[in-house]
Amino acid sequence: EAGVAQSPRYKIIEKRQSVAFWCNPISGHATLYWYQQILGQGPKLLIQFQNNGVVDDSQLPKDRFSAERLKGVDSTLKIQPAKLEDSAVYLCASRAGGDGANVLTFGAGSRLTVL
Amino acid sequence: RKEVEQDPGPFNVPEGATVAFNCTYSNSASQSFFWYRQDCRKEPKLLMSVYSSGNEDGRFTAQLNRASQYISLLIRDSKLSDSATYLCVVDDYFGNEKLTFGTGTRLTIIP
Repeated sequence: EAGVAQSPRYKIIEKRQSVAFWCNPISGHATLYWYQQILGQGPKLLIQFQNNGVVDDSQLPKDRFSAERLKGVDSTLKIQPAKLEDSAVYLCASRAGGDGANVLTFGAGSRLTVL
Repeated sequence: RKEVEQDPGPFNVPEGATVAFNCTYSNSASQSFFWYRQDCRKEPKLLMSVYSSGNEDGRFTAQLNRASQYISLLIRDSKLSDSATYLCVVDDYFGNEKLTFGTGTRLTIIP
């Protein structure tokens, strides 16, 4: 079974620039998550999709962050404009859903450095 | 109070020792609990789920105490390869399957 694919793996930008990350979840997984992990901290949920609908985006800084999952499969996360504090690893994860015991599988992450 | 709180680290323990981590959660309606392991500069991976009756997987034992709202992870006969960050994860499941991670506890096994 193919895992969760993310790109790019690394991105360096200057503050106020924009960046986009892409995620392709495991085939058939209905639930997709974007997490932000700052160095030394645990992953923080930014947004959760169930198919192509948003379930939870309460912690997404909507003035600069946006995410979509138009066809209920792959997803993009965009930051515009970036701030220094956005430097982090952006982790995408997917889950089959409908069963609390299902495993959450993460992609390798996209490491963002904002200069 | 944070939704999920973990023991402050880092833990530096000698090889072969037993080490235990605790994690408390604030939502009494939480239904599912997990321990994830994260190696340096890697993504988190599921270590084990935590069941109400407690469960064991080789050298690893997980316990859940619903009354006190905490879960624990015990590692016996620790190996150098156990060095990692251990993340406590709580899932409210009957809500929207929101998964909340703790900040993680860093463990280093010393030869």
